[in-house]
Amino acid sequence: DSGVTQTPKHLITATGQRVTLRCSPRSGDLSVYWYQQSLDQGLQFLIQYYNGEERAKGNILERFSAQQFPDLHSELNLSSLELGDSALYFCASNTGYRKNIQYFGAGTRLSVL
Amino acid sequence: DAKTTQPNSMESNEEEPVHLPCNHSTISGTDYIHWYRQLPSQGPEYVIHGLTSNVNNRMASLAIAEDRKSSTLILHRATLRDAAVYYCILLTVPTQGGSEKLVFGKGTKLTVNP
Repeated sequence: DSGVTQTPKHLITATGQRVTLRCSPRSGDLSVYWYQQSLDQGLQFLIQYYNGEERAKGNILERFSAQQFPDLHSELNLSSLELGDSALYFCASNTGYRKNIQYFGAGTRLSVL
Repeated sequence: DAKTTQPNSMESNEEEPVHLPCNHSTISGTDYIHWYRQLPSQGPEYVIHGLTSNVNNRMASLAIAEDRKSSTLILHRATLRDAAVYYCILLTVPTQGGSEKLVFGKGTKLTVNP
């Protein structure tokens, strides 16, 4: 158990809909990272938050957004969903200090039908 | 981001050592070499990391070439539970406020035969 909790585990929805994925980082971790894993693109970095502030953006679509709340949990919002958004979404956390390893959650599997 | 090259797949027998290679010829002096693995239906899991010297931990050993252009992850006695995709990642220590995002390649799929 990495200590990172992601909910829900599975999500099935229809095209055009909006969903919210939730991540609770390990106790004491200030940094949260979101990654997307699809069959064709592999694991890709989406966005990072550190202590409530956005720190880095990767290949995140404009239809996607994220935030980190004062209690340090994070939410990834996906809107106007398309079939191609079906993927595993992972959250990872660490203290945010340099060279610190990342701890990953078990992921949310999103299926867009 | 600096690139790494790994074989697509490798096979091993249970209880035998496994050497997983990684080439990173464009590595810079401040890049750390990290290894993560992803077991089936799970999120990635940290394995080990190093900068210049060889490293050991309870999971594995990391052997780094003297010129740092390649490295090898060593599992001393493979078990069925070690069957996973292993990712070799170069992590550049960012300047203050920078991101330590992980850039995953395709990794090496390790199959462990009983």
